[in-house]
Amino acid sequence: GEDVEQSLFLSVREGDSSVINCTYTDSSSTYLYWYKQEPGAGLQLLTYIFSNMDMKQDQRLTVLLNKKDKHLSLRIADTQTGDSAIYFCAEGTSSSNTGKLIFGQGTTLQVKP
Amino acid sequence: DAGITQSPRHKVTETGTPVTLRCHQTENHRYMYWYRQDPGHGLRLIHYSYGVKDTDKGEVSDGYSVSRSKTEDFLLTLESATSSQTSVYFCAISEGLDINSPLHFGNGTRLTVT
Repeated sequence: GEDVEQSLFLSVREGDSSVINCTYTDSSSTYLYWYKQEPGAGLQLLTYIFSNMDMKQDQRLTVLLNKKDKHLSLRIADTQTGDSAIYFCAEGTSSSNTGKLIFGQGTTLQVKP
Repeated sequence: DAGITQSPRHKVTETGTPVTLRCHQTENHRYMYWYRQDPGHGLRLIHYSYGVKDTDKGEVSDGYSVSRSKTEDFLLTLESATSSQTSVYFCAISEGLDINSPLHFGNGTRLTVT
């Protein structure tokens, strides 16, 4: 079945770049998403990429997709303390025709001053 | 928040009691979803709806039922709450006509079953 895996924790210093990685199994995925969750809040959509793209850049965020290896990454340049949050990778399961997403476990990003 | 309101925001209930969580949207979107969030599991889909009175099960639907009598409201019911249903519940809506449009989430309901 479909599965999405992420590492659970990443710690960086303010000003460094952060790279959060994700692997997925469903080769028919059409879209891949990154969500951010701050404490006590819901998930906020950060960015998403179509499966026919290799890269997408949006200000400090860069998404890289290696479709052959089913590997997705989110790079945050010049990481700030406000970037501390849980980041979820998710894939759109086009095969099920429901629009539902399959989420990874989430990566907690800790940014040290 | 994409016009999504969940109520209540917090609830404590006893094992065996019925509980209903409400999700209300002002966006007139077709698709609505209920997820639960638990440590180590990320978000898991409970039930979803693709229109009024059209619902289907997700991966963790046992012990839950849903209803959607109006476009704007999607209710999640725990008929007889158990401690394993202690979780944070998120409602989500889909923004567009594409079945794989991004989801937008409410702020969640924290449910504790004692």
